[in-house]
Amino acid sequence: EVQLVESGGGLVQPGGSLRLSCAASGFTFKNFWMDWVRQVPGKGLLWVSRINSDGRTTRYADSVKDRFTISRDNAKNTMYLQMNSLRAEDTAVYYCARAAAGRNFDFWGQGTLVTVSS
Amino acid sequence: DIQMTQSPSSLSASIGDRVTITCRASQNIISTYLNWFQQKPGKAPKLLIYDASSLQSGVPSRFSGSGSGTDFTLTISSLETEDFATYYCQQTHSTPLTFGGGTRVEI
Repeated sequence: EVQLVESGGGLVQPGGSLRLSCAASGFTFKNFWMDWVRQVPGKGLLWVSRINSDGRTTRYADSVKDRFTISRDNAKNTMYLQMNSLRAEDTAVYYCARAAAGRNFDFWGQGTLVTVSS
Repeated sequence: DIQMTQSPSSLSASIGDRVTITCRASQNIISTYLNWFQQKPGKAPKLLIYDASSLQSGVPSRFSGSGSGTDFTLTISSLETEDFATYYCQQTHSTPLTFGGGTRVEI
């Protein structure tokens, strides 16, 4: 059974940092592109970042570029999102998702809430 | 950036109704790169349709997708109780990947 489990969310002050993790199981993690998507409670979905299967290619939304870094450890079946210089507007539930064929978000984690507030 | 515009933003329907949601892309995208998701409160999105018209495994056949170019449609042929949710389209043609604003289907 495919499972994606996010962790690392919590309350952080503006300007602070947080690292999210997405632990994968039930499939050959190293073969799949992976993505992060966030959602402000009660609002729509916003794509954040993606990483290809070997970790060499990454993409970011403009709103997080130069502040967030996506990475993965295929030996640990885990993807990460390092979030620096956090702002109040980064407050959201962060989901990781598997991108089948590099484009079909067929499995999602349960999400982890990040709250940026003083 | 490719903007995805969904309509309507919300709709009221009854059990058994046929429901159609549209999604318009701001530029031509290959149909291969269009997904539809269902999301219920407090839950992660669930993939319903990929490649514009392919039904994801395990999704009931009352859901269907169509379209190409810039105009895409999600249809629920006969609405059931469990279909009351919010629906999103998404393009994966180019980054930044973008979602439509969502369509809330309610009673």
